[in-house]
Amino acid sequence: SAVISQKPSRDICQRGTSLTIQCQVDSQVTMMFWYRQQPGQSLTLIATANQGSEATYESGFVIDKFPISRPNLTFSTLTVSNMSPEDSSIYLCSVERLLGQGIGYEQFFGPGTRLTVL
Amino acid sequence: GENVEQHPSTLSVQEGDSAVIKCTYSDSASNYFPWYKQELGKGPQLIIDIRSNVGEKKDQRIAVTLNKTAKHFSLHITETQPEDSAVYFCAASPGTASKLTFGTGTRLQVTL
Repeated sequence: SAVISQKPSRDICQRGTSLTIQCQVDSQVTMMFWYRQQPGQSLTLIATANQGSEATYESGFVIDKFPISRPNLTFSTLTVSNMSPEDSSIYLCSVERLLGQGIGYEQFFGPGTRLTVL
Repeated sequence: GENVEQHPSTLSVQEGDSAVIKCTYSDSASNYFPWYKQELGKGPQLIIDIRSNVGEKKDQRIAVTLNKTAKHFSLHITETQPEDSAVYFCAASPGTASKLTFGTGTRLQVTL
């Protein structure tokens, strides 16, 4: 499996401010993803972080609210902009590891960033 | 798009008993079905997965079965232990874009 770290692990922020979450992987990966997990809920994909190009956002998520960077194959950031209490969630980074040509892949998650917006 | 339903939402078993969690999916193109275990305060951990070319896969006390015709798959945990207590999520993916659609989760409580 891949070793994934996220910073910060948790934060409490004031509404109207922005927070940038960092995701670092211990090996080069092609695909990196950002998910949101609202309190007591399941995981929802925000976007796919593409290296060298703009992120691909899922329905309901926009770049102005969740800008993403992917400067290289081991690192990505997600910014939660102009925060409101509704943004209080766990934000999770995940990476895909290919098992081999024609075999498939596995997806691993980081520990998450617990965000509370007051 | 894909829709994944998961049941039950909560499950309480006695230590040593078996636990079964069931998921159904809607997209017949889905061919990859992982299961994740999420402990309190941690990220989801991949515990087992199955691909559409097999019907069953086992890893020690954990097994997953897949019925493509009925579009459902299940997680079986035997000889449950207190450390199995967690929230379990199933997921499905068409395998082409790695996009996982998650079920709603099952909170498993293993009591002594």
